[in-house]
Amino acid sequence: DSGVTQTPKHLITATGQRVTLRCSPRSGDLSVYWYQQSLDQGLQFLIQYYNGEERAKGNILERFSAQQFPDLHSELNLSSLELGDSALYFCASSARAPSTDTQYFGPGTRLTVL
Amino acid sequence: DAKTTQPNSMESNEEEPVHLPCNHSTISGTDYIHWYRQLPSQGPEYVIHGLTSNVNNRMASLAIAEDRKSSTLILHRATLRDAAVYYCILSTPHSGGSNYKLTFGKGTLLTVNP
Repeated sequence: DSGVTQTPKHLITATGQRVTLRCSPRSGDLSVYWYQQSLDQGLQFLIQYYNGEERAKGNILERFSAQQFPDLHSELNLSSLELGDSALYFCASSARAPSTDTQYFGPGTRLTVL
Repeated sequence: DAKTTQPNSMESNEEEPVHLPCNHSTISGTDYIHWYRQLPSQGPEYVIHGLTSNVNNRMASLAIAEDRKSSTLILHRATLRDAAVYYCILSTPHSGGSNYKLTFGKGTLLTVNP
């Protein structure tokens, strides 16, 4: 158990809909990262928040947005869903370190768009 | 981001050592070498990381070449539980020092035979 929790575990929805994925980082961790894992693209970094502020952006679509709240939990919002958005979405957290940040991953949310 | 090259798959026998290679010829001086693994149906899990010197922890050892252009993850006694995809990742800090996004490649699928 990494200490990172994600809800829901599974999500099935239809094209065009909007969903919200939730992540609670490990206690004390300030950084939250979102990753998408699909069969054809592998694990791809989407976005990072650090203490409520966006810090790094990866291959995140404009239809996707995220935020980190004052209690440090984070939400990833996916809108106008397409079939290709079906994937596993992982959240990871890390504590700021002077040299490198080990990331601890949650169990993921499996999104199926029908 | 600097790229890594890993074999697609490797096979090992239970209780034997496993050496997982990774080439990263374009590594920069500030890149850390990270290894994560992903067991079936789980999120990635941190294994080990290093910068220049060899590193040991309870899970594995990391041997880094003197020129840093390659590294090897060593599992001293493979168990069935070690069957996973192993990712070798170079982590590049962003400006501000707290951003270490991970760029995952395809990794090496390790099969452990009983």
